[in-house]
Amino acid sequence: EVVLTQSPEFQSVTPKEKVTISCRASQNIGSSLHWFQQKPDQSPKLLIKYASQSMPGVPSRFSGSESGTDFTLTINSLEAEDAATYYCHQTHSLPFTFGPGTKVDVK
Amino acid sequence: QVQVVQSGAEVKKPGASVRVSCKASGYTFTDYYVHWVRQAPGQGLEWMGRINPDSGNTNYAHKFQERFTMTRDTSISTAYMELSGLTPDDTAVYFCASMALWLDGESVDYWGQGTLVTVSS
Repeated sequence: EVVLTQSPEFQSVTPKEKVTISCRASQNIGSSLHWFQQKPDQSPKLLIKYASQSMPGVPSRFSGSESGTDFTLTINSLEAEDAATYYCHQTHSLPFTFGPGTKVDVK
Repeated sequence: QVQVVQSGAEVKKPGASVRVSCKASGYTFTDYYVHWVRQAPGQGLEWMGRINPDSGNTNYAHKFQERFTMTRDTSISTAYMELSGLTPDDTAVYFCASMALWLDGESVDYWGQGTLVTVSS
């Protein structure tokens, strides 16, 4: 099974700062890596699919990139509403798996 | 409009089984896989499995293969999950999600509100 490792586990950031979250896959998963945002007491929401494709309606400050088995979610100019936990998720091979999550706190 | 509505919270004793329903409306239920994901208190997301509502074919995460069953009733656009042999470690919010992630073309993720299952003696 593909293991996804995320870093950091927690990040406390001031508004307008840039946030970078990393996700590393234990094996080659191509570009089948997606990013979800989950706010407290809410269901997850898909932000980025296939490493870098933004879902409709997602603010342009969210972007994704990849390099081999390393994937990055970037939030440019963080806003207060971006306080959430972010999860990477792979659908390259069954069983699908999630990363452990990165909690972003807005100071 | 699109809605995915799950059944209400459950409290179960260890060893019991629980069944959670997930009713879809506002889209064609059979167009997208239904995934089940759980989240223990204060923990991350855990993928449990998926069912193809059209064919009924299922895929399970290894750790759930023995005691987790997914079914569906297309006549009422509803998916079900049943988890047996419950232990306190199964205490979690269980989410269903109709998802289709396409490299090219429109993708969707429609999530239910989550169902809290508490296992306690």
